[in-house]
Amino acid sequence: TQLLEQSPQFLSIQEGENLTVYCNSSSVFSSLQWYRQEPGEGPVLLVTVVTGGEVKKLKRLTFQFGDARKDSSLHITAAQPGDTGLYLCAGESGRGGGADGLTFGKGTHLIIQP
Amino acid sequence: DAMVIQNPRYQVTQFGKPVTLSCSQTLNHNVMYWYQQKSSQAPKLLFHYYDKDFNNEADTPDNFQSRRPNTSFCFLDIRSPGLGDAAMYLCATSMERGLYEQYFGPGTRLTVT
Repeated sequence: TQLLEQSPQFLSIQEGENLTVYCNSSSVFSSLQWYRQEPGEGPVLLVTVVTGGEVKKLKRLTFQFGDARKDSSLHITAAQPGDTGLYLCAGESGRGGGADGLTFGKGTHLIIQP
Repeated sequence: DAMVIQNPRYQVTQFGKPVTLSCSQTLNHNVMYWYQQKSSQAPKLLFHYYDKDFNNEADTPDNFQSRRPNTSFCFLDIRSPGLGDAAMYLCATSMERGLYEQYFGPGTRLTVT
């Protein structure tokens, strides 16, 4: 069973601060995706990283995929209250026969206080 | 415009009373997934359809069934809901299996009384 561990589980910071959340596994993933989920809603895809060492930027969000494709990080610069939400990482194993859904981490609950 | 629609958004059922949750998509995607998400936990894949081919996860209880009568619609049937089945149920679609984005619906919050 492939597991994704996310840390921290909860994070509350002030507006304007920077933060990093982590997604780690002992397994190799062919790709990792980051989602943001608001209360009562489904997850919304932020980014997919595929290549080891890949870095992608989405405005104030920077995503990195580890060289060994076992871990990923999300860095937010100058956090804003609108960034509040549950951040989920999800891995696609690329098993033979095609991927059959995603393995999700438990998520990081992020609160940005004004 | 909504692309993955789930109805109802909130469902209350009684212990042991069968319930059906609905998902529809306007994306014409081949793959439709059902996930279960309990409070403060990660979404857990229950099963998926690739076109008409049903793929069950090994640890999905027999109490959970699914139907996909056509490309657009997929249903989750819980034959005898228990208190432990109370959760958010998420439907997702993707164009194909593999490295394709999954689009999630807003979810149905199921309460079992």
